[in-house]
Amino acid sequence: KAGVTQTPRYLIKTRGQQVTLSCSPISGHRSVSWYQQTPGQGLQFLFEYFSETQRNKGNFPGRFSGRQFSNSRSEMNVSTLELGDSALYLCASGLGEGKQFFGPGTRLTVL
Amino acid sequence: QQPVQSPQAVILREGEDAVINCSSSKALYSVHWYRQKHGEAPVFLMILLKGGEQKGHEKISASFNEKKQQSSLYLTASQLSYSGTYFCGTEISSGTASKLTFGTGTRLQVTL
Repeated sequence: KAGVTQTPRYLIKTRGQQVTLSCSPISGHRSVSWYQQTPGQGLQFLFEYFSETQRNKGNFPGRFSGRQFSNSRSEMNVSTLELGDSALYLCASGLGEGKQFFGPGTRLTVL
Repeated sequence: QQPVQSPQAVILREGEDAVINCSSSKALYSVHWYRQKHGEAPVFLMILLKGGEQKGHEKISASFNEKKQQSSLYLTASQLSYSGTYFCGTEISSGTASKLTFGTGTRLQVTL
């Protein structure tokens, strides 16, 4: 089975811009979770989508949003980028219970 | 609230043992352990459920003390391939495995 894929792998944006990240889960997985990883805060949960519905949400501002399509692919959008949004964004797919499979991440740099 | 991992970093010689602890201030349903090598995605190691038994994975095993809300990861006879950052992820209720609260990580380096 192919693993979790994320595109793009690297992004450079400037403050105030918006960005969209994409995640394709493992075939058959209906749950996609998004995490932000920074050296200071570690891995922090953003939100989870299951069968096109947001099922869980972390403590991030409304600038962070996402969606999931009928084929389980998911996108994450960040509007009005701030310097502090620079991070590695990881998505993880699973069956909704148990272990998750992480993608390689998208490295976002905000200048 | 983020679980606390200890130690923050450890350096081992190949063949030595290590223990990584993960403590939570909240009652836990399960603890998940992941390892992330530099520049790579976190990889699942194991899950420990409340009321479950100690789990093992090759020479890596873990336990879950429900009274203390603490999990420990045991690495025995460490190998170079064990190097990486270990994260515990906690789940406070059933059905939230996809919404883990991760600890800050323990950086493990195994040397010759």
